Amino acid sequence: AQSVAQPEDQVNVAEGNPLTVKCTYSVSGNPYLFWYVQYPNRGLQFLLKYITGDNLVKGSYGFEAEFNKSQTSFHLKKPSALVSDSALYFCAVRDGGNDMRFGAGTRLTVKP
Amino acid sequence: DAGVIQSPRHEVTEMGQEVTLRCKPISGHDYLFWYRQTMMRGLELLIYFNNNVPIDDSGMPEDRFSAKMPNASFSTLKIQPSEPRDSAVYFCASSLALYGTEAFFGQGTRLTVV
Repeated sequence: AQSVAQPEDQVNVAEGNPLTVKCTYSVSGNPYLFWYVQYPNRGLQFLLKYITGDNLVKGSYGFEAEFNKSQTSFHLKKPSALVSDSALYFCAVRDGGNDMRFGAGTRLTVKP
Repeated sequence: DAGVIQSPRHEVTEMGQEVTLRCKPISGHDYLFWYRQTMMRGLELLIYFNNNVPIDDSGMPEDRFSAKMPNASFSTLKIQPSEPRDSAVYFCASSLALYGTEAFFGQGTRLTVV
């Protein structure tokens, strides 16, 4: 069965600095990987996904993610963090067209 | 499209009562997922449907939980009887059947069982 792991419960960065939120995955076939963001009292919002092709995927709000097959990782990045980026971030993996499994989430705090 | 619509947004009920959560997926989506989010357990997949048919309900915690999808536009998650440990935020999500397609989430139902 497919799964993802987010090794950090919390990530703190200063505004204007680059940010990275880590994710590693485990799948038996081709990985379909996703990042979502959750703001307080809201549902999850889709940020970006990797299906195939370029290892660097660009998404919403200036976020991007780098797929690394050899390290089985799919880290979320942003060159310059904003205070408004503070939220809960989830990595997810989908087995083909079937179920979607999420990591435990990483709380990102961007300090002014 | 209005997105995935869940109702109610908040539900407070007494232990032992029946609770029904409702979800309207995005029109044309083939898959519907029910998730539960708690601080302790994170985001858990409870059950998902494909074309109104339950595919995997292994995440349903107990027999007290049941889910149905009578048609492509509506699904329910029922808890009977409810217990305080069922308190959580329940999310419904839907997606197309295409490989690698993202799921779209509703706003969630915050359930409190007292």
